[in-house]
Amino acid sequence: EDQVTQSPEALRLQEGESSSLNCSYTVSGLRGLFWYRQDPGKGPEFLFTLYSAGEEKEKERLKATLTKKESFLHITAPKPEDSATYLCAVNYGGATNKLIFGTGTLLAVQP
Amino acid sequence: EAQVTQNPRYLITVTGKKLTVTCSQNMNHEYMSWYRQDPGLGLRQIYYSMNVEVTDKGDVPEGYKVSRKEKRNFPLILESPSPNQTSLYFCASRPPGQGGYEQYFGPGTRLTVT
Repeated sequence: EDQVTQSPEALRLQEGESSSLNCSYTVSGLRGLFWYRQDPGKGPEFLFTLYSAGEEKEKERLKATLTKKESFLHITAPKPEDSATYLCAVNYGGATNKLIFGTGTLLAVQP
Repeated sequence: EAQVTQNPRYLITVTGKKLTVTCSQNMNHEYMSWYRQDPGLGLRQIYYSMNVEVTDKGDVPEGYKVSRKEKRNFPLILESPSPNQTSLYFCASRPPGQGGYEQYFGPGTRLTVT
């Protein structure tokens, strides 16, 4: 079954404590993997697109990496304003063009 | 300001009473879509539109209709809402490209059907 799984479901960090969020996928014909950030009461905000294994993207304290089966969102020295739900989505399929979202990781960064 | 707007933001209605949630974008995007977000299920695509007059079903289209008469607007119609359509709905758009999903999402519409 095609699916996207994110772990952990929730993560609590102290300010400055680096960690990683995981997004694993079982789909065939990966076209792209996307990371979004969602703040409470708001729509998701696009962060990164990764297209092939080995690719990396960085933005401020965030770095996204991709392998053939999973992606990691590394958060270096997080600040309280990084607190949000981080969503992963996978676009895949040959003739069909499908998109699946994971259920997200709720990140809380305490000062 | 480039944005996707949705109205209403909150709606409480009763079973069977037709409703429309509007979505508008000011970025001249061809592609627009609707999602619903439910706890433990993530975002699921309802319908999408590649361009004006072209729409197609997503993963959970049952009970919903859409129309795309203009590029900027993509309303979601619930002809006969039921309690299982209680959810948080998001409209999104994206610029043309190579199939990427760098989407811009609206602020969401929280719908409760009693």
